[in-house]
Amino acid sequence: GQNIDQPTEMTATEGAIVQINCTYQTSGFNGLFWYQQHAGEAPTFLSYNVLDGLEEKGRFSSFLSRSKGYSYLLLKELQMKDSASYLCAVRDRGFKTIFGAGTRLFVKA
Amino acid sequence: DTEVTQTPKHLVMGMTNKKSLKCEQHMGHRAMYWYKQKAKKPPELMFVYSYEKLSINESVPSRFSPECPNSSLLNLHLHALQPEDSALYLCASSQDRLAGARREQFFGPGTRLTVL
Repeated sequence: GQNIDQPTEMTATEGAIVQINCTYQTSGFNGLFWYQQHAGEAPTFLSYNVLDGLEEKGRFSSFLSRSKGYSYLLLKELQMKDSASYLCAVRDRGFKTIFGAGTRLFVKA
Repeated sequence: DTEVTQTPKHLVMGMTNKKSLKCEQHMGHRAMYWYKQKAKKPPELMFVYSYEKLSINESVPSRFSPECPNSSLLNLHLHALQPEDSALYLCASSQDRLAGARREQFFGPGTRLTVL
């Protein structure tokens, strides 16, 4: 079956660093995406990994280990506006994108 | 233009009504998607169109009927819905459904549907 696990909620302090983990078991693998979604709004694309390693993009970095079925999203220099849900999504062998349940991040002052 | 637009933003309908949701993109994307999202849940895939042909139907009830009139437009026709169909309906597009580069999906703002 298809399964994507991520923590339900996390809390971090403004200016800090937070790491959101994602583990997956899918029928094949054709890339992993991270999306940000603010309450009541549409998801917006943050990052994409298809090969092992770290992809850095400003304050956001994403890591992938295909052998472990594991990814994380790293957010640095947290800002209040980073409070949102972060969705891990995997594209499977059939190129269907499956979303995890999302991690709600609360950034406090 | 890197935007996916959806109309209407909000829709309230009765169980006997017929209505349509509309989605449009002008990025030249050839894959378009409908998702349903309930509060505090991830988006659930409903339909995928690839090159204007329906390629995935995730066992969606027939009271939801998708249509892709051309490569820029995607409609979702609604008829005889149930209160449990109330949700945020998201449209998305991507360059191509299949292989190659990242092919991330661009989401529209959604239509918040309430069925009374």
